[in-house]
Amino acid sequence: EVQLVQSGVEVKKPGESLKISCKGSGYIFINYWIVWVRQMPGKGLEWMGIIYPGDSDTRYSQSFQGQITISVDKSLSTAYLQWSSLRASDTAMYYCATSLDSDAFNIWGQGTVVTVSS
Amino acid sequence: EIVMTQSPATLSVSPGERATLSCRASQSVSSNLAWYQQKPGQPPRLLIYGASTRATGIPAKFSGSGSGTEFTLTISSLQSEDFAVYYCQQYNNWPPLTFGGGTKVEIK
Repeated sequence: EVQLVQSGVEVKKPGESLKISCKGSGYIFINYWIVWVRQMPGKGLEWMGIIYPGDSDTRYSQSFQGQITISVDKSLSTAYLQWSSLRASDTAMYYCATSLDSDAFNIWGQGTVVTVSS
Repeated sequence: EIVMTQSPATLSVSPGERATLSCRASQSVSSNLAWYQQKPGQPPRLLIYGASTRATGIPAKFSGSGSGTEFTLTISSLQSEDFAVYYCQQYNNWPPLTFGGGTKVEIK
């Protein structure tokens, strides 16, 4: 079964660092782009950035450039999204997704809830 | 950056009726347009890609049309499971891969 499984709920304080993960299985992980999408409480979907696991080619949305780092560990078939210093405004659900048979994203992780509060 | 605008923000429809959702791009995206459905507490689900091709397992009640800057998602004979939020997304010119703001389809 093709799936993306994300890491669990995170509760952090402002200023702390965080790295969440997205593990792919059931397909050739390195051959397909992985995207990260933010959804703030009650709001819509925001594209954060994308990585190609084969060569780690990474592109960021200007809105998130400098605020996040996207990386991948090919040996673990896992993509990561990390922050060096969280803010309360980073409180959101974060999804990873990939596209296997079109350029649209047909496989989604279950989401990781991140809460940042003092 | 291509801006995607969806209308209306909320659409009230009676069960059994048809819903028509619109998505407009600020510049041409050719047919590189996808539609997603999202229900509360769930990740988005791909419905349509290439503006009009149904994704695997998506019933024929969902149909997409349009090209360039104007797109439509039509849902025929709405049932309870179809009440959700629908997003369009362009993937013609990226980064960024932009989403529309969403249309919430609610029960009238």
